[in-house]
Amino acid sequence: RKEVEQDPGPFNVPEGATVAFNCTYSNSASQSFFWYRQDCRKEPKLLMSVYSSGNEDGRFTAQLNRASQYISLLIRDSKLSDSATYLCVVTPYNNNDMRFGAGTRLTVKP
Amino acid sequence: NAGVTQTPKFRILKIGQSMTLQCAQDMNHNYMYWYRQDPGMGLKLIYYSVGAGITDKGEVPNGYNVSRSTTEDFPLRLELAAPSQTSVYFCASRLAVTYEQYFGPGTRLTVT
Repeated sequence: RKEVEQDPGPFNVPEGATVAFNCTYSNSASQSFFWYRQDCRKEPKLLMSVYSSGNEDGRFTAQLNRASQYISLLIRDSKLSDSATYLCVVTPYNNNDMRFGAGTRLTVKP
Repeated sequence: NAGVTQTPKFRILKIGQSMTLQCAQDMNHNYMYWYRQDPGMGLKLIYYSVGAGITDKGEVPNGYNVSRSTTEDFPLRLELAAPSQTSVYFCASRLAVTYEQYFGPGTRLTVT
């Protein structure tokens, strides 16, 4: 089983749609969780950290379910500019050893 | 601030050649990282450093070496390039007190 698994997509949604991504992780001792965004042929950038209580940043909501070992990202009111690959990141061993999922590609269409 | 810079942007190597990928940051970050990203895959950690003089292996260190003589610089050395090392290499850095990593623009390396 991979340490971090994501549905690769692609997800093709119209502007204004709500879309959700899930990510599962294999190590129950994982400590920290993040969503990064990566545009085509660019470097990843932090979108948001994921806290145990769940957290929201504008149109983006992240949740953590430790019992089922998954994290989720919800994007409301999708914009064209949300088109990117979303990378799930987990630290299963220590907070320096970040394990990335392969990413979920999102395309938002007019 | 330039942030995290990487050189070169692109490089083609022949099998068996050596090269050093350069990474520098001007944000006074203690923590620095090297990742590789193969097509359609997530990033894999090669090496990391928590400060000058301290380095540690990540998930895929074989075939690579690093050094950290200053806070600013964290070069990655490939001694005997192999086709399996064809990839995009990203360097990143962060402060000790936060987990947000800042990435450089990447180096696209092809080994033929």
